[in-house]
Amino acid sequence: DGGITQSPKYLFRKEGQNVTLSCEQNLNHDAMYWYRQDPGQGLRLIYYSQIVNDFQKGDIAEGYSVSREKKESFPLTVTSAQKNPTAFYLCASALGSYRSLDEKLFFGSGTQLSVL
Amino acid sequence: DAKTTQPTSMDCAEGRAANLPCNHSTISGNEYVYWYRQIHSQGPQYIIHGLKNNETNEMASLIITEDRKSSTLILPHATLRDTAVYYCIVRVNYGGSQGNLIFGKGTKLSVKP
Repeated sequence: DGGITQSPKYLFRKEGQNVTLSCEQNLNHDAMYWYRQDPGQGLRLIYYSQIVNDFQKGDIAEGYSVSREKKESFPLTVTSAQKNPTAFYLCASALGSYRSLDEKLFFGSGTQLSVL
Repeated sequence: DAKTTQPTSMDCAEGRAANLPCNHSTISGNEYVYWYRQIHSQGPQYIIHGLKNNETNEMASLIITEDRKSSTLILPHATLRDTAVYYCIVRVNYGGSQGNLIFGKGTKLSVKP
């Protein structure tokens, strides 16, 4: 089945530690996204990538880093600089960047990150 | 950036139609209206989208006003499994390339038996 897979489902971070959240898709999508969701809030965009080896900051990129070395993969690293990392993290993908405005996002099931 | 306004919460009786409104008075001519929903602790799920005309699929119908300043998502026969947060989103463009969907707080729909 085609889809987008996030792992792990739950992750715990110690003080000063960097952690990496995995996101893999087999939909052959060009664009991938990372969102952060706090309890009772909407989604906020952290980073997005429209094509391999390119990515752009979203609205809340500070304290996060990403890479896009392969089309299928868009890992997110939560660095020690992110002082309030506890949140639900969602990865999404979309077909392509340059064809039209008519695109829909496919989301993974999310990773809940907590600080120990 | 075009923003949307939705009620914070709504209730609906099981088996009845759920009508979820959304205001997007600053929408631009080439921006689409998208609807997603999110069941607790899961990723959002695409429902439907439209530009000018009304749209229908197996999940829902989307009614867009003629001036495009508002829309309504209709779930024709709501079930308990439709209980979720529903997001109305307008597609935003950055420099003409792919725009990014901005998610607000949405409407929490509670379907009751």
